[in-house]
Amino acid sequence: GAVVSQHPSWVICKSGTSVKIECRSLDFQATTMFWYRQFPKQSLMLMATSNEGSKATYEQGVEKDKFLINHASLTLSTLTVTSAHPEDSSFYICSARGGLAGGEQYFGPGTRLTVT
Amino acid sequence: RKEVEQDPGPFNVPEGATVAFNCTYSNSASQSFFWYRQDCRKEPKLLMSVYSSGNEDGRFTAQLNRASQYISLLIRDSKLSDSATYLCVVNIGRNNDMRFGAGTRLTVKP
Repeated sequence: GAVVSQHPSWVICKSGTSVKIECRSLDFQATTMFWYRQFPKQSLMLMATSNEGSKATYEQGVEKDKFLINHASLTLSTLTVTSAHPEDSSFYICSARGGLAGGEQYFGPGTRLTVT
Repeated sequence: RKEVEQDPGPFNVPEGATVAFNCTYSNSASQSFFWYRQDCRKEPKLLMSVYSSGNEDGRFTAQLNRASQYISLLIRDSKLSDSATYLCVVNIGRNNDMRFGAGTRLTVKP
């Protein structure tokens, strides 16, 4: 199947700093990328959907000024957690979808963020 | 009502047992349905898509009931390696985004 990578796989940062997470589709062009957050023992919660070259669509309750998403190319999307706080500590997972809407999403391996 | 609801679990079964998970969804316009498997601290991986006619892949059988808006997953002859959290995923129709159920944790014991 298609491969999606994320970098870094884990990061520890101090409160108040910003962290950037990269999501890359390695062998296909991702017209749409999704960012999810998963807290322990909970399911994935969609944060935002981004289409290449346009602004991301954020889910209700997700602060767009705090979670900056850039989808500048068909193979790369970035999520920047600005002014991180301990409550932002979570497992962040991206996924990418190629052509057809409703088609399979391919997930990255996730990034574990710990804010101290 | 949640967009996607699953059996809360956890399910603890012996090896060789048959186990079934159910999932209901609220958006009648949903078109695509999937079961994903997620191991601890890993990303979800597609287990199988769910088709209207039902489909089978080895020990796994998925069924869809559009009238009742529910999806099921049946695992026969459970293996230790089947231990994981199983996520029901539904296309909600708006922008064809996927919505995940909370997951059902399965533990298969020797």
